[in-house]
Amino acid sequence: AQSVTQPDIHITVSEGASLELRCNYSYGATPYLFWYVQSPGQGLQLLLKYFSGDTLVQGIKGFEAEFKRSQSSFNLRKPSVHWSDAAEYFCAVALYNNNDMRFGAGTRLTVKP
Amino acid sequence: EPEVTQTPSHQVTQMGQEVILRCVPISNHLYFYWYRQILGQKVEFLVSFYNNEISEKSEIFDDQFSVERPDGSNFTLKIRSTKLEDSAMYFCASRSGRGGGSDTQYFGPGTRLTVL
Repeated sequence: AQSVTQPDIHITVSEGASLELRCNYSYGATPYLFWYVQSPGQGLQLLLKYFSGDTLVQGIKGFEAEFKRSQSSFNLRKPSVHWSDAAEYFCAVALYNNNDMRFGAGTRLTVKP
Repeated sequence: EPEVTQTPSHQVTQMGQEVILRCVPISNHLYFYWYRQILGQKVEFLVSFYNNEISEKSEIFDDQFSVERPDGSNFTLKIRSTKLEDSAMYFCASRSGRGGGSDTQYFGPGTRLTVL
């Protein structure tokens, strides 16, 4: 069955520390891959996306993600977390026609001072 | 920067009532979507719409739901007879369709629907 898995429900990091949020997918083919961020009470903001080409993708707010086909993963990273990064992060995938986007359950990020 | 807008931001309704959630997609976008997020849960795809018809829908999108593009700018989601479990945040999204599929879905801020 097609699925998107974010294994970590909640992660707490100290401000200035590095961050990695995990995302794994199970699809028949390589889907389009996305990371969105949702601040409390807000909508979904696209951080970055991968369609093809370079497997290391740079996004907004200093985030990057690496697509690893062998591991069916698309993990999100940031070298130094800021307090304003505290939010819910969603990994999402869409098949070739980019019409039916499936989201992971989300990872809530808490940033300690 | 153009953005997707949604109205109202919060809708409260009684069980059994009809509600219409409204969205204004980004101008000249061709594909439109509705998603929902029940409180504390993940975002779920409901339906996609292109060329004035539904292109895909999920198992959630049953006969109680319908979508419409009544004019050149609005995209609506109607729930005919709301149930308590319809309480959720509903997100509208649109994409241009000019990237051969490799274009981004832009999301609106959402409408929080509360069914009492």
